[in-house]
This record gives sequence, structure tokens and C-alpha cells, in this order.
Amino acid sequence: AQSVSQHNHHVILSEAASLELGCNYSYGGTVNLFWYVQYPGQHLQLLLKYFSGDPLVKGIKGFEAEFIKSKFSFNLRKPSVQWSDTAEYFCAVSNNAGNNRKLIWGLGTSLAVNP
Amino acid sequence: SAVISQKPSRDICQRGTSLTIQCQVDSQVTMMFWYRQQPGQSLTLIATANQGSEATYESGFVIDKFPISRPNLTFSTLTVSNMSPEDSSIYLCSVAWDRGIYEQYFGPGTRLTVT
Repeated sequence: AQSVSQHNHHVILSEAASLELGCNYSYGGTVNLFWYVQYPGQHLQLLLKYFSGDPLVKGIKGFEAEFIKSKFSFNLRKPSVQWSDTAEYFCAVSNNAGNNRKLIWGLGTSLAVNP
Repeated sequence: SAVISQKPSRDICQRGTSLTIQCQVDSQVTMMFWYRQQPGQSLTLIATANQGSEATYESGFVIDKFPISRPNLTFSTLTVSNMSPEDSSIYLCSVAWDRGIYEQYFGPGTRLTVT
């Protein structure tokens, strides 16, 4: 069965530190990859997505992620975090088979950025 | 994208009662999903709401417990029946399209507490 694992459950950083959140998935076929963010008290928002093409994708608020097919990974990065990046981050994967659009979710990473 | 609203935003219910959650979208969408997000955990897909036919439930979820309606392309309801404290959770509605746009967009969620 498909699964998504996020390696870091809780991350604490100081402002201006660099961020990398790991995400690995298990599925041998073509996949669509997503990072969602949930700021405190807000609903889930799409941060960035990968469907095809350039494996380095850029999202909102300075985030980027790199799809490495050989490693089944889609790690999220930001060179310099801000206090406002404090949030829960979820990696999600859907396969390209059919139109079901079902997402498999990681457990999430709670990021706290200290000012 | 789409603007998604959910009602109620939160509720406190007694054991053994039922609650119906509404999800309204500001434009027609192909797919609507219902998720559960328990405290400190990731999202779990309950079912896909199908317009004009019975919902498609994921393993571990049954229609008697979580009846779903989707009378048109912009509206769906999820009922949590015969509630127990284990049903305390955030219930999320999301939407997607079957072509061109692959990501899901989420509503603000309904926070349910069962006493």
C-alpha cells in the first residue's frame, strides 16, 4: 500500500535558520506530490505541488521542494525561516492512475520558529 | 481555486446524538471529499462524496456511521451518527477537479467535541 513518511515530527528553529523537512513515499508509479501548510487557527493551504517537469518546484512564501525520483523523496526547503512560518506542514502524495485524486498524507511536521 | 465554507465551525455534542456538517463551495467542482483529523494526527480520508450516487467509503468507515449526501456539484453533507467521545475530531471537506487541476482545496473544518 502507498504510504508517506515525514521524518521530523517537531522542529524548532530560530529566525533566519535554514529549513529542510523530509518526505518519502512508497509507490512505484507516477505520482503527484504536494506540501500543505496549516497555520495556527487557519485551514489547510497548498504550499507547492509537483506534477511533472522541473523537479525543483517553487511555492509561496519562499518555499521550494525537490523531487528526487530515485530516492522517492520530496523534501521541503526554505533558506531563511521567519517567525510567521510557525505552522504544521503536511506532505501528501497521489498516484496518477485514473481520476480519483485521493491523497495519502504524512503525519505532519510541527515547526516552531523562535523570534 | 475555490472558496469553501463549512457549518458549523464547531460544536459540542452529547454521546449518542448525531451531527450533520455542511460543506458549500462557491463554484461547481467534480469531486468532494470528507476527512477526519484527530488531535496531533494526520488527515484520514473518510469518503469521496459522489454527486447523485452513494459515497465511496474508505476502509474502516461505513455509511451507517457517516452518511454522506451530495445533491449537486457545490454542496455536500456529512453526518456523524450515534456519536461517542472517540468521534471528537476536526472534520474537513475538500474539493478537486478531474482535469487540469490536481490539487485539493480545503474548507476551514468543523471541530467536534463529544461529551
